[in-house]
Amino acid sequence: AAGVIQSPRHLIKEKRETATLKCYPIPRHDTVYWYQQGPGQDPQFLISFYEKMQSDKGSIPDRFSAQQFSDYHSELNMSSLELGDSALYFCASSLGGDIVEYFGPGTRLTVT
Amino acid sequence: AQSVAQPEDQVNVAEGNPLTVKCTYSVSGNPYLFWYVQYPNRGLQFLLKYITGDNLVKGSYGFEAEFNKSQTSFHLKKPSALVSDSALYFCAVRDENAGNNRKLIWGLGTSLAVNP
Repeated sequence: AAGVIQSPRHLIKEKRETATLKCYPIPRHDTVYWYQQGPGQDPQFLISFYEKMQSDKGSIPDRFSAQQFSDYHSELNMSSLELGDSALYFCASSLGGDIVEYFGPGTRLTVT
Repeated sequence: AQSVAQPEDQVNVAEGNPLTVKCTYSVSGNPYLFWYVQYPNRGLQFLLKYITGDNLVKGSYGFEAEFNKSQTSFHLKKPSALVSDSALYFCAVRDENAGNNRKLIWGLGTSLAVNP
């Protein structure tokens, strides 16, 4: 079965640079969630979208923005990167009434 | 406030023995409860969920979990552990009354080590 696709899988950026992470949900899924997971930590919810509209907002810094496009894929844009932004970034998707979130493999961002 | 507690940072069991990974929760309404597993450098994989109905929920890879409303617990169990079960396990909850607030509340994770 098709899963959530995230790209790139690994990304290395320098401080103050920008990064864009992409997420392609499972086909027909209309909801996308973004999480940040630091080393040895639980996933921290950043933001979610349902039918291309922001549905919930968590601990997403003002330097970050995200959107969901007409084909339901989502992009997380990160600017003025800081060393503390180094983490695994997960995207998850779900289908409307299904409350189970299915996670992608993650993007490992390293800021140097 | 909604919260999830996984009281054990690490659980060690011998292969073939039963395992339990503990989780307790706090929500204002009825809980939707989940277990996910994370292997090193991998994404989170859904194991099982409890929404309503039978308190004993069966999931992937032979795992099951028991919902106990009076103890507000949702412990993950497996009758016979495998070395390949060694991973990080996360419990999560969503409040039924959350409405459009769809985010999951996560526990801090429990590292399971199954020894040969």
